[in-house]
Amino acid sequence: EAQVTQNPRYLITVTGKKLTVTCSQNMNHEYMSWYRQDPGLGLRQIYYSMNVEVTDKGDVPEGYKVSRKEKRNFPLILESPSPNQTSLYFCASTKAGGHGYTFGSGTRLTVV
Amino acid sequence: TQLLEQSPQFLSIQEGENLTVYCNSSSVFSSLQWYRQEPGEGPVLLVTVVTGGEVKKLKRLTFQFGDARKDSSLHITAAQPGDTGLYLCAESSGNTPLVFGKGTRLSVIA
Repeated sequence: EAQVTQNPRYLITVTGKKLTVTCSQNMNHEYMSWYRQDPGLGLRQIYYSMNVEVTDKGDVPEGYKVSRKEKRNFPLILESPSPNQTSLYFCASTKAGGHGYTFGSGTRLTVV
Repeated sequence: TQLLEQSPQFLSIQEGENLTVYCNSSSVFSSLQWYRQEPGEGPVLLVTVVTGGEVKKLKRLTFQFGDARKDSSLHITAAQPGDTGLYLCAESSGNTPLVFGKGTRLSVIA
């Protein structure tokens, strides 16, 4: 089944403890992207990648890192999480040309 | 970054009613996508429109792309409780990733 897989689905952590949210897609898509979704603010892009070893900042990149060493994986790294990074995170992928993204099921992160 | 305005923000209707939601921008869209998101899940693509004036139908859903490619609408005929969700429009200008509107939250009451 074609899909984007995120892990974990839920995570509660403490301020300052490094964490990684994994994202993997099995569709050989070139583009991958991370979004966060917050009430009243909608979906905002954190980082995106147009291909292996190519990443770029989205609208809200502060406090996040990404890497794209392989085409299928695009992990999101929070080096020192803070409470304002409590949010619902989505990974998405698509083929080059922008014909519709496939989203993962989301990771609900709480930083206390 | 292009801004997409969606209206209305919230909509609550009775089962069987018709409704239209809108997506507007001050800039021309390259292509526009509509998604539906259910609570606790990721957005799911409904349709992509590319050509000005284009109309696409998906069962009871009709999507229209404005002639000038600066606006789009989604019309639902005879809404059902299963249509409840957050409807998002998103724009992708070729090689740049998606920019989303804030969505219309639809509630269809049985």
